[in-house]
Amino acid sequence: DVKVTQSSRYLVKRTGEKVFLECVQDMDHENMFWYRQDPGLGLRLIYFSYDVKMKEKGDIPEGYSVSREKKERFSLILESASTNQTSMYLCASSRRGGYTFGSGTRLTVV
Amino acid sequence: DQQVKQNSPSLSVQEGRISILNCDYTNSMFDYFLWYKKYPAEGPTFLISISSIKDKNEDGRFTVFLNKSAKHLSLHIVPSQPGDSAVYFCAASKGRATNKLIFGTGTLLAVQP
Repeated sequence: DVKVTQSSRYLVKRTGEKVFLECVQDMDHENMFWYRQDPGLGLRLIYFSYDVKMKEKGDIPEGYSVSREKKERFSLILESASTNQTSMYLCASSRRGGYTFGSGTRLTVV
Repeated sequence: DQQVKQNSPSLSVQEGRISILNCDYTNSMFDYFLWYKKYPAEGPTFLISISSIKDKNEDGRFTVFLNKSAKHLSLHIVPSQPGDSAVYFCAASKGRATNKLIFGTGTLLAVQP
């Protein structure tokens, strides 16, 4: 089974901090994604990547950046955390078809 | 602009009865649809999918129906079990290989014992 691992389950950060969320998958998938989940808004795509060093903006990229230096790792960066970035962050990977998700990181910005 | 919509934020059903979760989409280019299930503090897990060349796909207690002319799909769970209580997301993509999924807002299903 594909395993997608997110480095932290819960994070609390201060406003203005630079935040790194890490995601690693172990099945050599080309495609990786970052979503955030908010009540009433569902899952919204922040950024995705089809290959190493390649990235594309999703629907809500503002305030975020990403890094994909290795195929198995896709990092989400909050350049200067704000309270409206408090959310559940979900990483996923796929080769084709459906995704496999990580367990999520609950980020609280205070 | 919500391309995939789940208009019912929540649904409550008695154990043993049928649960019907609905999803509407606006983009006629979507041709591959999926349902995911999510428990609290866990990532979504794949449940069932359907290609636009079909109008029904069945897997055990779960059946997905697709009505392309109405741009509507539904997930039927029969019989419903308390362990089915979760948030259900429908998702759509333009072609299975493109991989970019657009998700709906989710429906919280509560199955009462």
